[in-house]
Formats: sequence, structure tokens, C-alpha cells
Amino acid sequence: DGGITQSPKYLFRKEGQNVTLSCEQNLNHDAMYWYRQDPGQGLRLIYYSQIVNDFQKGDIAEGYSVSREKKESFPLTVTSAQKNPTAFYLCASSMPGQGGGEAFFGQGTRLTVV
Amino acid sequence: GENVEQHPSTLSVQEGDSAVIKCTYSDSASNYFPWYKQELGKGPQLIIDIRSNVGEKKDQRIAVTLNKTAKHFSLHITETQPEDSAVYFCAAISPGYSTLTFGKGTMLLVSP
Repeated sequence: DGGITQSPKYLFRKEGQNVTLSCEQNLNHDAMYWYRQDPGQGLRLIYYSQIVNDFQKGDIAEGYSVSREKKESFPLTVTSAQKNPTAFYLCASSMPGQGGGEAFFGQGTRLTVV
Repeated sequence: GENVEQHPSTLSVQEGDSAVIKCTYSDSASNYFPWYKQELGKGPQLIIDIRSNVGEKKDQRIAVTLNKTAKHFSLHITETQPEDSAVYFCAAISPGYSTLTFGKGTMLLVSP
């Protein structure tokens, strides 16, 4: 089945630790995205990548880092510099250039700082 | 950049009633408008979309309308069922940008 896989589904982190969230897609999409979701805030863009080895900051990139070494993978690292990391994180992918490509989402990772 | 406003933030209906969620956008160049449904604890799922060259699109009980002059688009759900209960997001994208801009979501509750 084609789709986007995020892992793990739940993640607990101690304050001061970095943690990496995994996102893999087998849809052969060029573009991948990371969003953060907080109650009442909708979806806020953290980082996005339109092509391998290239990525851009979104609206709330501070305290996060990404890499795009393979087309299929776009991991997100939540660093200790992120002041309020507890949230639901969503990864998406799309094939832009089609007048606005459909974006498909993974099932999300819920990160809790303890 | 694009700005998308979505209303209402919550909507309660009785089973069998219709539900309408409205969104406005700011960039007149926007040309793609998807709607997503998000169930509790899951990722958003695309349920319907519309492009700027059409005014209405239907898929069984759901429909989307687009008014380019007024820069707003709406999601219509007829004969609502309890399983329609979820958070719905609208979004827009314009040719000059690479990412969707989302509304803040509408929580729809359908009571049996």
C-alpha cells in the first residue's frame, strides 16, 4: 500500500534532550512537509522540502531541524532549544507543480515532554 | 502571503441535517482548495478538493463550492451521520507558493 508512515506514534522526552521523529513515504512524491498541531491552532508549518538535499523553513522553524538525504525520508529533530515541544506532529507529502498537488498526511506522532 | 479564515470553529447538528463550513482566502491568485477531515488522534485525510476553474464539485454527500469573486469556498455535508463527527480543515494554495495555507479548523459534532 502506498502512503506515509510516521513513527513512533507516541514519544516521551525528558527536558534537555533532542529527539528525532521519522517520516517515510512510498508515493514517489517530491515534496515533504512537517506540521505542528496544537489545540485551537490548526496546522502550522515547521519545515518543508521540495527536492532531495534542499529544504526551507516554515512559519515556526525555531528549535527544529530536518534533513532530506533521500526522496523517501524527511526526519524531524526536535532540539532542546524548542521551548514548548509537547504537540502533535504531522508529516505530509505531495507532488507539486500540478497546480497545487494533493497533500497526503501520515498518522502523526504525539510528543510529550516529561 | 495567503491567509485563510475558517468559520465556524465548532458546529453541532442533528443526524440527518446538513452542515456548512465556510472559508475565505486573501490571495486572488490561489487556485487549489482542498478540504481535510481529521478524526481524533489521526492525520488529516483529503475528502474533496476544487480548482479555480470550476465553481462546484460533488462527491456523494459532500460538495464544495467556490466563489472566486468573493474569495470564499464552502464545504457542504448533507444527511449528516455520527461518523461525520471530526475536525474539518480548509486550505488554499497559490501558484507562487509551495505550501498549503490551512484554516484553523471546524469541529463538527453530529448527534444521533
